[in-house]
Amino acid sequence: AQSVAQPEDQVNVAEGNPLTVKCTYSVSGNPYLFWYVQYPNRGLQFLLKYITGDNLVKGSYGFEAEFNKSQTSFHLKKPSALVSDSALYFCAVRPNSGGSNYKLTFGKGTLLTVNP
Amino acid sequence: GAVVSQHPSWVICKSGTSVKIECRSLDFQATTMFWYRQFPKQSLMLMATSNEGSKATYEQGVEKDKFLINHASLTLSTLTVTSAHPEDSSFYICSASRDGAYNEQFFGPGTRLTVL
Repeated sequence: AQSVAQPEDQVNVAEGNPLTVKCTYSVSGNPYLFWYVQYPNRGLQFLLKYITGDNLVKGSYGFEAEFNKSQTSFHLKKPSALVSDSALYFCAVRPNSGGSNYKLTFGKGTLLTVNP
Repeated sequence: GAVVSQHPSWVICKSGTSVKIECRSLDFQATTMFWYRQFPKQSLMLMATSNEGSKATYEQGVEKDKFLINHASLTLSTLTVTSAHPEDSSFYICSASRDGAYNEQFFGPGTRLTVL
């Protein structure tokens, strides 16, 4: 069975400081990994994904994530946080097989608060 | 591209009534659609997976007769909450995937259901 762990329920950073939101995963075979952001009462917005290739993935709004196979991690990072980055962040994983019926498994989410 | 809409965005209904939520892929044909439920400050829980023209596959613990899913076309899936009760109040999110493109899921904006 596949699983995702987001060890921190909350992350607080000051505006302008770098931020990291942690994610580790477990899946059979090679993973497809995703980060999504959710603002209050809204659906999920796609940030970035790792499918194959470079371990450092760049995404929307200045976010990036590094795939580390040996540590089975896919931490989300941003060099300089903005107050508007405050939201709920979800990491998700699926195996790189299974066709269109594959299931995404989500972490429990990390609430990021960026303080002015 | 890859836009998914949901209607309505919010709905309030009386206990015992049925509510239908629509999920549409606006600019692509969705081979598969997924329905999720999200409780406040919690992760997404997959309810069911549906393919166009066939019966939905429900996750363990999800009542098929209570949450009716119809995937009538490649651009429309509906979730009907039958005989709704206050405990069905939740945020319902759909997603859609298409063949190719790593079968990535594209998420709708969600529907807030409140049962009085």
